[in-house]
Amino acid sequence: NAGVMQNPRHLVRRRGQEARLRCSPMKGHSHVYWYRQLPEEGLKFMVYLQKENIIDESGMPKERFSAEFPKEGPSILRIQQVVRGDSAAYFCASSPGGVYQPQHFGDGTRLSIL
Amino acid sequence: RKEVEQDPGPFNVPEGATVAFNCTYSNSASQSFFWYRQDCRKEPKLLMSVYSSGNEDGRFTAQLNRASQYISLLIRDSKLSDSATYLCVVGEDSNYQLIWGAGTKLIIKP
Repeated sequence: NAGVMQNPRHLVRRRGQEARLRCSPMKGHSHVYWYRQLPEEGLKFMVYLQKENIIDESGMPKERFSAEFPKEGPSILRIQQVVRGDSAAYFCASSPGGVYQPQHFGDGTRLSIL
Repeated sequence: RKEVEQDPGPFNVPEGATVAFNCTYSNSASQSFFWYRQDCRKEPKLLMSVYSSGNEDGRFTAQLNRASQYISLLIRDSKLSDSATYLCVVGEDSNYQLIWGAGTKLIIKP
């Protein structure tokens, strides 16, 4: 399956711990997007990355959240010192680039904070 | 004003009926348009791209009205499995991102 791969599918953390979410884009896709979805709410854009570059992080909270897409390996969304409000589904999408190309999504990571 | 607006619904529709919903966008320079569907607690999946000439895929028809700045999705002979949230997505040349609507919830009843 050459689709977008996210792991883990489910992640449980206690308040104050760190959460690391991984995303491997589809083969041939160099653009990665992270979204957050709270229960019963819509998708909220967080960050857009290309290899080794953050293009737009306007949707990401200024504190505790960071993202990277290294030259080798998956994109990582990192949440430090998690709080209850971070509980959500985090989706990663990838595309070949450009607004004419649709984004393809991974299955998401469900983050639960105890 | 939101950049991409959708009626949140829910639209409650009997099985077999035809249902249509629109999505309006604010930027007249928008260049690309898509419909996605999202099932409860699942990832969004691309339903269809929307072209200037309109396009059809089985029971689904998408139209673009540039003059009035909206796109539409028509579902004929609706099935129970069509129950989902339908997301409208718009792309702009000046903005490398796709702009997502909040979605329209559709419930098909037997």
